Amino acid sequence: KAGVTQTPRYLIKTRGQQVTLSCSPISGHRSVSWYQQTPGQGLQFLFEYFSETQRNKGNFPGRFSGRQFSNSRSEMNVSTLELGDSALYLCASSPTGYRRSYNSPLHFGNGTRLTVT
Amino acid sequence: QKEVEQNSGPLSVPEGAIASLNCTYSDRGSQSFFWYRQYSGKSPELIMFIYSNGDKEDGRFTAQLNKASQYVSLLIRDSQPSDSATYLCAVNNNNDMRFGAGTRLTVKP
Repeated sequence: KAGVTQTPRYLIKTRGQQVTLSCSPISGHRSVSWYQQTPGQGLQFLFEYFSETQRNKGNFPGRFSGRQFSNSRSEMNVSTLELGDSALYLCASSPTGYRRSYNSPLHFGNGTRLTVT
Repeated sequence: QKEVEQNSGPLSVPEGAIASLNCTYSDRGSQSFFWYRQYSGKSPELIMFIYSNGDKEDGRFTAQLNKASQYVSLLIRDSQPSDSATYLCAVNNNNDMRFGAGTRLTVKP
């Protein structure tokens, strides 16, 4: 079974621009979560999507948004980029269902490293 | 208080020793607890999870959970240089999974 696929692997953008990151989950996984990882803050939860609906959201500004398509693929968008948005963005899928299963692990993709200059 | 706390390390142990990694969490409603390993420049990979009080063993790894003390740990027996990585503790409270900042482990040959 193929793992979680994230594209692109690397991005360099300028302040003020916007960016879209893509994530394809493991086949059969309907839950997709996004995390931001920085050396200072560690892994910070952005949001989770399930069946094309945002099920949960972390404490990030509205510049960070996402969506999920009917095939469970997900995209994350960051508008008006700031220098502090430079980070590794990780997507993770999970086999959890409508009733969240507490023992469903997250399976991570290789991440997209975003650099904002 | 952070939701999930870990000592950042670095923790250094000699090859063959037992490495002990600790994690505390603040949400008493948390139901399951995961340990991930992350090599430098790579994404986190699942080692094991635990949701009942006590110990759970998987090969050289043992996870320990004490819900009363809100404490979870990971023991790595017979540590190998290939175990050198950052270990992330994650807590699932049925809303989402929250991660600690990670403990950097170095196993010296």
